[in-house]
Formats: sequence, C-alpha cells, structure tokens
Amino acid sequence: GAGVSQSPSNKVTEKGKDVELRCDPISGHTALYWYRQSLGQGLEFLIYFQGNSAPDKSGLPSDRFSAERTGGSVSTLTIQRTQQEDSAVYLCASSLRNREGYTFGSGTRLTVV
Amino acid sequence: GQNIDQPTEMTATEGAIVQINCTYQTSGFNGLFWYQQHAGEAPTFLSYNVLDGLEEKGRFSSFLSRSKGYSYLLLKELQMKDSASYLCAVRVGGGYNKLIFGAGTRLAVHP
Repeated sequence: GAGVSQSPSNKVTEKGKDVELRCDPISGHTALYWYRQSLGQGLEFLIYFQGNSAPDKSGLPSDRFSAERTGGSVSTLTIQRTQQEDSAVYLCASSLRNREGYTFGSGTRLTVV
Repeated sequence: GQNIDQPTEMTATEGAIVQINCTYQTSGFNGLFWYQQHAGEAPTFLSYNVLDGLEEKGRFSSFLSRSKGYSYLLLKELQMKDSASYLCAVRVGGGYNKLIFGAGTRLAVHP
C-alpha cells in the first residue's frame, strides 16, 4: 500500500484478555519495526524484523509479548494476559533495508481497563 | 547502555528561530535522525545526519558532531504549525537499521 497501515486504531480491553495488533507495511519494505509510546514518553523499541533474518526481540518487555511476520509482509503483535501498564500507543514502521528513515503507521491506541 | 537526552519542553515566538539540542551516548552509531510528531499523530521524518556538519532542508537544518555526541535541529521562520514534539533518534549498528529514540522535545510556538 501507499503507507503503513495499522489496525485497529483504538482498542479497549479488559485486564487479563489477549489482544492482537496488526501492521501492514509499505509494499517492498523488507524491514518492519514495532515501538510503543506511553503518554508523554519517547518511543520504546519492541521488535525488529529484517527480511528472512531472525527478528531482534530484545525490546519485548515480557514473555506476554510476541510478534510474527508472515510472508515477509504483514505483522501481528500479540499481548497475552494484558495488564494496565500495557496501555500505550503501539506504533509500527517499515523501511527499505539500509535506507534512511522509517515510515510510521498511525498507531494503535491500547487501553487496558 | 543507550542514552539520548533532549530538553523536555521549549517555547518560541512565531517568526523566530529555535534550536533543539540532542546529546547521545550509545553502544554504536550509524546516523542520527530527527522526527516531528504532532499530538495524536505518527512521527514523520525530518532529517538525517551521518557525517559531521550541517544538513539544510528548507526552514529546517540539522547539525551533527560525532566526536561530541551532539546534534541540534534548527527551525527558522517559525510557524504555528511547527508546534509539535521533535524526536531525536540514533541508528545503532552497521547495516542494522534499529533506531533508539530520545523522549522528545515538545515545542510550543505562540503568536
């Protein structure tokens, strides 16, 4: 597509439930990234996919968080047994390998109540 | 560890010039980026520096000194629409495109 698409744009869930967030990167972009941004905070790196290489999962805050990227395109970030501290905006970005700059999606605002 | 510091907030007057500083201490360095983020929106790419010196792009310029671990973003002829957060980010590693972001600087432009 023309841009990075994320869905849903907003998600309210009850504590303890699982959620799935979806990212559809720009066509042809081989790299895909997930970040989260808490209110008034900077972007916190979560996970990075580059082509067929093993993903860099070093930013995932706990084993409740996982992500996959199917067919080198769409990615899903899954949060199991959500907690209130998981409330944040989850941003996905994509880029061409070794090119400058990311293109970000509009994010998914997750609220855990 | 990775450390990127920026002022939390700045204010400036419409038509003026403002300089937003960023200092970094990271385990690797392969370029520094500035992004603009309006409230409730996604960050958008502004500038990129990998060599020392000044990069100019219209009203926006960005400077890098690798030896000092220092960058600044210069905004000229400020407009009200420039009110936003400005994020400094460092690319760590070689062909590895992972960015580490600072907490951002909220700029308020007033008449």
